Amino acid sequence: DQQVKQNSPSLSVQEGRISILNCDYTNSMFDYFLWYKKYPAEGPTFLISISSIKDKNEDGRFTVFLNKSAKHLSLHIVPSQPGDSAVYFCAASAGNTGKLIFGQGTTLQVKP
Amino acid sequence: DGGITQSPKYLFRKEGQNVTLSCEQNLNHDAMYWYRQDPGQGLRLIYYSQIVNDFQKGDIAEGYSVSREKKESFPLTVTSAQKNPTAFYLCASSMLGGPAKNIQYFGAGTRLSVL
Repeated sequence: DQQVKQNSPSLSVQEGRISILNCDYTNSMFDYFLWYKKYPAEGPTFLISISSIKDKNEDGRFTVFLNKSAKHLSLHIVPSQPGDSAVYFCAASAGNTGKLIFGQGTTLQVKP
Repeated sequence: DGGITQSPKYLFRKEGQNVTLSCEQNLNHDAMYWYRQDPGQGLRLIYYSQIVNDFQKGDIAEGYSVSREKKESFPLTVTSAQKNPTAFYLCASSMLGGPAKNIQYFGAGTRLSVL
């Protein structure tokens, strides 16, 4: 049972435009959400996170939105740059377990 | 330079052989994790440890074993019982408390292939 889902395997956007990556979850006990960026043959790099008590968190070009009623979060990248081309994973955790549940990932391609 | 070091970067396993993947961290993190990534899939948790000499099974622990004799080290052994070991293996660590407790930091990974 996939508790965290990224239903779009890939996304292609033009440089300078907005990239929107989506993530849905099913477990209402999740209280912390994270986005990671991953290049091929490398480990994921932490990008941005949000607690369930918030609905928005912003860090430079990256903003994460959380809609708890819809069990949905999204990552907005504005403006998109070619260096943003990578696989993006969303992840969720519940309580103090420290365990993360990852989505399948979305491959973002930003075209010059 | 603080971080997580995984070795080797590439590893080949023969039929019936056990192989051990190394993971060392100098971030003074209490918790460490092992994940497996297959093509087109997310990361799946194999084992995790929150304290020295203690560890718990993740979602896909069968065919794997771990030890946590030191805070800095969390080696993963892929045993001959693991019938499909070809994958990209990732080690991570995190703090157990504080505002960053949910953020895991990853090593560069080990790619394991079967000969």
